[in-house]
Amino acid sequence: DSGVTQTPKHLITATGQRVTLRCSPRSGDLSVYWYQQSLDQGLQFLIQYYNGEERAKGNILERFSAQQFPDLHSELNLSSLELGDSALYFCASSVEGMWNEQFFGPGTRLTVL
Amino acid sequence: EDKVVQSPLSLVVHEGDTVTLNCSYEVTNFRSLLWYKQEKKAPTFLFMLTSSGIEKKSGRLSSILDKKELFSILNITATQTGDSAVYLCAVELDQFYFGTGTSLTVIP
Repeated sequence: DSGVTQTPKHLITATGQRVTLRCSPRSGDLSVYWYQQSLDQGLQFLIQYYNGEERAKGNILERFSAQQFPDLHSELNLSSLELGDSALYFCASSVEGMWNEQFFGPGTRLTVL
Repeated sequence: EDKVVQSPLSLVVHEGDTVTLNCSYEVTNFRSLLWYKQEKKAPTFLFMLTSSGIEKKSGRLSSILDKKELFSILNITATQTGDSAVYLCAVELDQFYFGTGTSLTVIP
């Protein structure tokens, strides 16, 4: 157990819908990262927040957005869902904003039907 | 265009064998290169490399970075069935780029 929690564990929804994925970092970690992992594209970095501020941005679609709240938990919002958004979404956290040891949560499996 | 390329894509070995996994990258100014192990769950951190020629070791695993030739290798000696996993390599630039991974299967 990495200490990073993600909810929900599984999510099944229809195309066009909007979902919110939640992540609680390890106690004391200030930085949160979001990743998408699909079978055909591997692990893709989406976005990083450090202490509430956006720190780095990957190839995150405009339909996706994220934020980190004052209590350091983070949410990833996915809207206008498409079949291709079906994937495993990981959250990771680290103490600082640097790329050192990131601890990954168990992931949320999203299925869009 | 892939910035990080891992090889081989897949590898099957017997317990006790030594394996070498390769990670090549096309960028020169990166902050760090990282290796992760992913079993049927979330990735777990193995190594972070920032300096060329300095080997990092953890038990039977070791890794080294060659910044001149733009590659890194991950060695696993005396493999065990528990080493079966996908091994991911990533580089940090303005964002983080992952390779597609090497799937290692260790059979008894």
